[in-house]
Amino acid sequence: EPEVTQTPSHQVTQMGQEVILRCVPISNHLYFYWYRQILGQKVEFLVSFYNNEISEKSEIFDDQFSVERPDGSNFTLKIRSTKLEDSAMYFCASKRGEQETQYFGPGTRLLVL
Amino acid sequence: GDSVTQMEGPVTLSEEAFLTINCTYTATGYPSLFWYVQYPGEGLQLLLKATKADDKGSNKGFEATYRKETTSFHLEKGSVQVSDSAVYFCALRGQDSSASKIIFGSGTRLSIRP
Repeated sequence: EPEVTQTPSHQVTQMGQEVILRCVPISNHLYFYWYRQILGQKVEFLVSFYNNEISEKSEIFDDQFSVERPDGSNFTLKIRSTKLEDSAMYFCASKRGEQETQYFGPGTRLLVL
Repeated sequence: GDSVTQMEGPVTLSEEAFLTINCTYTATGYPSLFWYVQYPGEGLQLLLKATKADDKGSNKGFEATYRKETTSFHLEKGSVQVSDSAVYFCALRGQDSSASKIIFGSGTRLSIRP
């Protein structure tokens, strides 16, 4: 069964460094998402992406964040200058159509020191 | 704005016990409702869903009924197993946008004793 994959599974970085989290959505899916879960807290929406542009973003998704679908298969989340409070599990998700189910990847655990 | 409230955990039960995890929501119109499960060390998996009032979602022995009148979507299972130990998230998707984000509850950790 096709699934969303994410790399790396864990990443440790220094405060102020740039990180890129990578996702490979399911191949015929058209809608893409990033969510994050700070340890012990709820899963929060960051951004949705459709037709090569951001369709919605939360207040968390400030100028330090960007997303890209560079090659038709990968979907990346870049954090330009990481802060301690960016430490979280980041989930990628995708869906095929408007009313379809979102499928989630296994997550990338990011630790900012 | 839209929100989901679910019962706080952790919930610890013995094997074969009856499970209920309460979930209520606030949303305009007719959202779609979901239960996701996160097994240890894994990502979020869709457990079941319901897209309109009075629909019952079911999967792996779990059930939840979309109750518009009480704005609830409680998760139930008649006889839990050790393998059901996981974190369960109630969630909704608003009806107003095709690219709608999913809004999650805070999660309920379930532990089943053998």
